[in-house]
Amino acid sequence: KAGVTQTPRYLIKTRGQQVTLSCSPISGHRSVSWYQQTPGQGLQFLFEYFSETQRNKGNFPGRFSGRQFSNSRSEMNVSTLELGDSALYLCASSQGSNYYEQYFGPGTRLTVT
Amino acid sequence: AQRVTQPEKLLSVFKGAPVELKCNYSYSGSPELFWYVQYSRQRLQLLLRHISRESIKGFTADLNKGETSFHLKKPFAQEEDSAMYYCALSFYGGSQGNLIFGKGTKLSVKP
Repeated sequence: KAGVTQTPRYLIKTRGQQVTLSCSPISGHRSVSWYQQTPGQGLQFLFEYFSETQRNKGNFPGRFSGRQFSNSRSEMNVSTLELGDSALYLCASSQGSNYYEQYFGPGTRLTVT
Repeated sequence: AQRVTQPEKLLSVFKGAPVELKCNYSYSGSPELFWYVQYSRQRLQLLLRHISRESIKGFTADLNKGETSFHLKKPFAQEEDSAMYYCALSFYGGSQGNLIFGKGTKLSVKP
């Protein structure tokens, strides 16, 4: 099976702009989770989508949002970008059942200038 | 609040030496604990989880609820074990799409 893919891999944006990142899960996986990775805070959970519904949400401001489509692909959006949003954004997919394993994508490196 | 602590940022050992990567967690319920590993230029991947009680690549980890720990151990380290290791916690019984990660320990195995 093809692994989790994320597009784009690298992105440079300016403060105040908005950005949309995309994640295509492994075929058959219904759950997609998003994480932000920074040197200072490490890996932090953003949110999880399961069958097009947000099932769980981390402690991030409302500028961070996401959605999932019927084919399980997911997008996350960050509005009004701040310098502190510069990070590696990882998505992970899983089957969504109990005692699952999450499979991670390569990440999107976002730089905000 | 739920938290995962990995006290060592960097652990350096010689090949053949035993390795123990420490992980402590705080959670009042019944957590599910994982170890994820990221080798150089590769994706983050699951190494093992406490529920399966298995040994992967010679690594084992035992959940100690009394000490709220989930340390990762290997009796004889190999150079190919050099990587970044993350301990992670998931809530039991609820949505399991959210992992709380520790900040990671970089393991360096010297020849």
